[in-house]
Amino acid sequence: EAQVTQNPRYLITVTGKKLTVTCSQNMNHEYMSWYRQDPGLGLRQIYYSMNVEVTDKGDVPEGYKVSRKEKRNFPLILESPSPNQTSLYFCASSLGLAGEVETQYFGPGTRLLVL
Amino acid sequence: GENVEQHPSTLSVQEGDSAVIKCTYSDSASNYFPWYKQELGKRPQLIIDIRSNVGEKKDQRIAVTLNKTAKHFSLHITETQPEDSAVYFCAASIHDGYSSASKIIFGSGTRLSIRP
Repeated sequence: EAQVTQNPRYLITVTGKKLTVTCSQNMNHEYMSWYRQDPGLGLRQIYYSMNVEVTDKGDVPEGYKVSRKEKRNFPLILESPSPNQTSLYFCASSLGLAGEVETQYFGPGTRLLVL
Repeated sequence: GENVEQHPSTLSVQEGDSAVIKCTYSDSASNYFPWYKQELGKRPQLIIDIRSNVGEKKDQRIAVTLNKTAKHFSLHITETQPEDSAVYFCAASIHDGYSSASKIIFGSGTRLSIRP
């Protein structure tokens, strides 16, 4: 089954404790992206990647890191989480030929609470 | 910076009536405009999209119109049904001038409620 998976689905942590949220897709998509969703603000893009070893900042990259060592995986890293990073996070992938965004398929979301 | 504005933030319509959600965008180079539907507790899912070389696209009860001159696009849902109740997001592609990749800017969402 074609899908985007994220883990963990729920996470409670404390300020400053490094964490990683994994994202994997099995559709051989080139374009992958991370979003955060906050009430009243919609979905805001954190980072995106058009292919292996190519990543770019979205609208709200501060406090986040990503890597794209393999085509299928795009982990989101919070080196030193802070309470303002409490949010619902979505990973998404798209066929993305020549860097163009097409239909994005979203993962199930990761709800993060930073105390 | 680039942005996408979406109105209204909430919309309540009688079952069977039409619903219209409007978005404006700032980057005249935007060329891809998707609409996503997000049901409560679920992930966003694409319902329709349009590219800049087309003025209108229709899929059963859903249609999207695009006015590139005015930089606005709209979602139209006709004969609304209870299962149309959800949050709807518009979005526009922004081409990154430093690379060949596109990023996506989303509107803030419209919560649509269908009254029985």
